[in-house]
Amino acid sequence: GESVGLHLPTLSVQEGDNSIINCAYSNSASDYFIWYKQESGKGPQFIIDIRSNMDKRQGQRVTVLLNKTVKHLSLQIAATQPGDSAVYFCAENTRGSNYKLTFGKGTLLTVNP
Amino acid sequence: EPEVTQTPSHQVTQMGQEVILRCVPISNHLYFYWYRQILGQKVEFLVSFYNNEISEKSEIFDDQFSVERPDGSNFTLKIRSTKLEDSAMYFCASSGLRWWEAFFGQGTRLTVV
Repeated sequence: GESVGLHLPTLSVQEGDNSIINCAYSNSASDYFIWYKQESGKGPQFIIDIRSNMDKRQGQRVTVLLNKTVKHLSLQIAATQPGDSAVYFCAENTRGSNYKLTFGKGTLLTVNP
Repeated sequence: EPEVTQTPSHQVTQMGQEVILRCVPISNHLYFYWYRQILGQKVEFLVSFYNNEISEKSEIFDDQFSVERPDGSNFTLKIRSTKLEDSAMYFCASSGLRWWEAFFGQGTRLTVV
């Protein structure tokens, strides 16, 4: 069954603001949680990952937070730009599965100029 | 920058016909995948392939589906007898040692009529 899902299907922000995209998961056995970005007409693109033994990881303008207590994952984008407009998916691997990613439903982020 | 390439970009086929979707993964990658995405929905895992054999397959990947890596560079997905519900965007992906960091192609839109 499905174990990864999104709180909000759409998010609209002003250019320059920070964005927070949320994801809930139910499978505690995952080793990695990953964020992918999908622009219109393209395949998903890896953004950042976090191991299950971490609670925060930072990249360039992005931060992923993992709260295992409430099984919640978030992606924070600083100073959101028009090029950040896309659908964002959280994904997880499941310990014991062989190279399988399970994707959540996705959140559409729209950045207004 | 290396990328995963897929052909064709769009395939229209009649129900019951066989289709072959083609992919050229990134050359030094070890893991290969097919995912599909029905319009507006989440990305669904079909199959993972490593060391010249299927590592894992989903319940979607039934006897009508098969994969091949015939020559060390191409990776194909065959659907023997297409059904209307096979209509979707099919993504090929590949990854290196960090298998969860998958690089996706642009996709093949399969339309079964």
